[in-house]
Formats: sequence, structure tokens, C-alpha cells
Amino acid sequence: EVQLLESGGGLEQSGGSLRLSCAASGFSFSAHTMSWVRQAPGKGLEWVASLSVTGRNTFYADSVRGRFTISRDNSKDTLYLQMHSLRAEDTAVYFCALGPGTMALESWGPGTPVTVSS
Amino acid sequence: DIQMTQSPSTLSASVGDRVTITCRASQDISNYLAWFQQKPGRAPKSLIYAASSLQSGVPSNFSGSGSGTYFTLTISSLQAVDFATYYCLQYRTYPLTFGGGTKVEI
Repeated sequence: EVQLLESGGGLEQSGGSLRLSCAASGFSFSAHTMSWVRQAPGKGLEWVASLSVTGRNTFYADSVRGRFTISRDNSKDTLYLQMHSLRAEDTAVYFCALGPGTMALESWGPGTPVTVSS
Repeated sequence: DIQMTQSPSTLSASVGDRVTITCRASQDISNYLAWFQQKPGRAPKSLIYAASSLQSGVPSNFSGSGSGTYFTLTISSLQAVDFATYYCLQYRTYPLTFGGGTKVEI
């Protein structure tokens, strides 16, 4: 069974940094593209970033490009999201997702909340 | 960027109803369209990928159709557990983009 578990969220001041982690199990992590998606309070889903199998190809939403970095450690089956220069509008629940692949974003973690105070 | 326009934003229905949600893409995305169900406080759950393929374990009263720029999600007979918010997603190209969501309520 695929399991994804995010951690690292919390309360941070505007301009600060946080690093999110996503521990994966139940599938061959190193063989799949992985993504981060976020959801601001009371709002819809927003794709944040995706990372290829090798980690060489990264894709970012315009809203986070230059501030966030997605990375992975295939030896630890873990996905990361390093967030710098945080803004109030980055306040959201951040979900780790398996994909996009043949079955789109086929599995999601429960999410970790990030609150940025101004 | 590809814009995904989902309608309606809210849908009032009863148990047993047949409901249809639509999603339009601003350009051709072939069949790179997925549907998700989300309940309050929970992560989204993947229902359908490639426009019409059901994820494992998803009840057969869910179905998807469409290609190009017009897609639909149909629930043939609404059950109590189906009251939730539904999102479409295009994954034809980056940036991935979601529809605005459809809340299915009683």
C-alpha cells in the first residue's frame, strides 16, 4: 500500500524558511515523479512543484519559483520542499503526491500545515 | 498556462440523484485529465485518470468522459458518502492546473 507522510510544517514569520519532508513507502519511490500541491484555507488546490525520477528536472509554479526548491533523496525514499522568503500567501496545507504519471496524481499524503505570520 | 474551468461551483442534490460536473480546458489536453474527491480536513482522493479510467477501488457509480477540451464527471446514483468537493486536474503540461472545484451538497 502506498503511503506518503508529510512533516516539517508549522508557524513561521514572513521572510523565514521552512523545510517540508515527505516519507514514502509501499512503492518504488525512485521510479516515480513526485509533486507538492497546496491548499490555502477555504480555497482550492494549487500545484506547487514537481520533480523527475533522477531529480534533474524540476518544475515550479510561478508563485514559488525562485523561493522554493523541490528535491529528493532516493536512498531515503524522501521528498523535500525547501521554502525560503515565506509570505503570508504561502499559508496553506501542503500535500505530497505521487506523480504526475500514467495515473496522474494517484496517491496523496494527509498534508502538513504551514502558517506564515506577517 | 492552461486554464481549467469547472462548473457548477456548487451543486445541490439528493441521495439517488444522477449528477454531472463539467471541466473545460483552455486548450487541447487530449485525455490528460484527472478527477479528485476531497472531504473537509482530508487529502484529495484520486477517482479518475486519463479522463475515463477509474482508480483501483473507486466505486463504479463514478465515471468520466471527454477529450480535447471538454470533460465530465458523472455520479450515476449519488450516495451519502459522495457529498464532497470535486476537482479536475490537467496534467498534459506544466504548470499542472486544477479546476476551481465543485461542492456537492445536500
